[in-house]
Amino acid sequence: GQNIDQPTEMTATEGAIVQINCTYQTSGFNGLFWYQQHAGEAPTFLSYNVLDGLEEKGRFSSFLSRSKGYSYLLLKELQMKDSASYLCAVRDLWEIKAAGNKLTFGGGTRVLVKP
Amino acid sequence: DVKVTQSSRYLVKRTGEKVFLECVQDMDHENMFWYRQDPGLGLRLIYFSYDVKMKEKGDIPEGYSVSREKKERFSLILESASTNQTSMYLCASSFLSGNTEAFFGQGTRLTVV
Repeated sequence: GQNIDQPTEMTATEGAIVQINCTYQTSGFNGLFWYQQHAGEAPTFLSYNVLDGLEEKGRFSSFLSRSKGYSYLLLKELQMKDSASYLCAVRDLWEIKAAGNKLTFGGGTRVLVKP
Repeated sequence: DVKVTQSSRYLVKRTGEKVFLECVQDMDHENMFWYRQDPGLGLRLIYFSYDVKMKEKGDIPEGYSVSREKKERFSLILESASTNQTSMYLCASSFLSGNTEAFFGQGTRLTVV
């Protein structure tokens, strides 16, 4: 089974930086995803990490440490439109199909950006 | 653009009714998933499928079944709807292999009264 933990809610100021942590315990790790979900909308893909280290994509970066079962999503130069929930998801190695894509999600972190 | 389309945005059904939620994707994805999303619980996997007529139970399959008769379509069935199945239901699809993400539909908010 899998256990994925992330904070429930965070508040930050426009222009600032926020770091959302995600810790996981999994029986077979095959990558970690971050998704953004605005209220009432579908989750959309932000980033993917399968090897240790930092992946940068514009204002968003994601870090992974497989030995620690830990990832974070870093949001820089926060804008009001970044107010959303951020979902951490771990992909499981699936016994039936070697390249299976079963994704298990954490509870999500609601980020509120204030002026 | 990848498109995952769910047949309804909002549904209201009565307790005991049989409910069908339909999902269609146009990217020739092998994998398709059904999740439900509840406040404080996040997205929980109900069922997934990696091929036509193939299905696997997720973490909370009780009270649900699925059907995948065609590659592009994955249906979630509530055999006898109950009030605790009131939730947001999200369909997703992805390729079977490679480092590709899952794409989500807009969701169906189901209320069982």
